[in-house]
Amino acid sequence: GENVEQHPSTLSVQEGDSAVIKCTYSDSASNYFPWYKQELGKGPQLIIDIRSNVGEKKDQRIAVTLNKTAKHFSLHITETQPEDSAVYFCASEGGSQGNLIFGKGTKLSVKP
Amino acid sequence: EPEVTQTPSHQVTQMGQEVILRCVPISNHLYFYWYRQILGQKVEFLVSFYNNEISEKSEIFDDQFSVERPDGSNFTLKIRSTKLEDSAMYFCASSSDSKQFFGPGTRLTVL
Repeated sequence: GENVEQHPSTLSVQEGDSAVIKCTYSDSASNYFPWYKQELGKGPQLIIDIRSNVGEKKDQRIAVTLNKTAKHFSLHITETQPEDSAVYFCASEGGSQGNLIFGKGTKLSVKP
Repeated sequence: EPEVTQTPSHQVTQMGQEVILRCVPISNHLYFYWYRQILGQKVEFLVSFYNNEISEKSEIFDDQFSVERPDGSNFTLKIRSTKLEDSAMYFCASSSDSKQFFGPGTRLTVL
């Protein structure tokens, strides 16, 4: 079945710097790749997603890139702010009915 | 903005007891999911539900688990005889297409 690897597990940046989180997936048939932000004690919140027919997508300070040949995708956060501090999960659509396979998460800390 | 809601927020139960976790998906969504997250670990898929039947389930979703959509709004997860290792956050999600929206979760503690 599908496997998603995510790196790094923790990431600390200074406010204003950029943060990059990378994921790889194993199933070449996967076509949908969302990113979720999880704050302490809350459910995962969808922040951006990308489909396999697109190489890059941007939404304000957040962007996602996809390299389907290499089977990896990345989350880029620019001009980080303290409120960006959270755990970020990448995911891949793992089954025919859309179930998501998650990476292990990256704990992002943005220091003021 | 519509959102997925879950009740209770925290459930404490004794090992061997039955629990029912409840979810109200976003009203026009047709696909429903349960996931779990053991403390400090990644989110794991349990089951997906469409058109009043299970469409896919993971190895975690064994005979102790069941799901039901008893009416037009609720979506429930039942664990018949809880085990210590069932302690986790349980998240419900719903979607109308690929985008899945998660509820706030139920923290299940099995003693």
